[in-house]
Amino acid sequence: ILNVEQSPQSLHVQEGDSTNFTCSFPSSNFYALHWYRWETAKSPEALFVMTLNGDEKKKGRISATLNTKEGYSYLYIKGSQPEDSATYLCAFRHSGGSNYKLTFGKGTLLTVNP
Amino acid sequence: GAGVSQSPSNKVTEKGKDVELRCDPISGHTALYWYRQSLGQGLEFLIYFQGNSAPDKSGLPSDRFSAERTGGSVSTLTIQRTQQEDSAVYLCASSKDRGETQYFGPGTRLLVL
Repeated sequence: ILNVEQSPQSLHVQEGDSTNFTCSFPSSNFYALHWYRWETAKSPEALFVMTLNGDEKKKGRISATLNTKEGYSYLYIKGSQPEDSATYLCAFRHSGGSNYKLTFGKGTLLTVNP
Repeated sequence: GAGVSQSPSNKVTEKGKDVELRCDPISGHTALYWYRQSLGQGLEFLIYFQGNSAPDKSGLPSDRFSAERTGGSVSTLTIQRTQQEDSAVYLCASSKDRGETQYFGPGTRLLVL
């Protein structure tokens, strides 16, 4: 059974604060790590796909880093805005025959207060 | 362009009834996936379709669950004799090909009373 953990489970920040959260995953048989943002009553939105150790990706105020050797990824949000409020999901894909399967963490629920 | 769509968006049913959930993937996407999120749990893989290949059903929790994909496009997930533990958000996703980024629909929220 693949174990993907996210922390913290939930987070409240003030508008303008920068924040970050963690995803940990198995360090062996790595194929890819995905980040999604899921707002209530909407579709999960793909943020990043990360495949190489040391990868760093950026989209606007959101960025992510990847360490496959130790099995973790960080997601950073700079200058949080109320519209950033959502659940942030990470999903691990292992190498092998069924590398299409995503194994998700339980998510980090971010609330940004105006 | 149009994303993945799912229907119904919400479904309330009585224990023991059958339900059908529908997914329309993005046009041209050959791979289709079903996941569900039960209360307090992460999204859990259910089933994967790729083109005309036999589906990977390894995530289906019991034989009350089945899914089909007609004509390589629309998919239906059927739950027979629903139980209260089937209450969850059921999400469908599609990707251009196996291993590519999966794009999700908005989900069907199923409540079994």
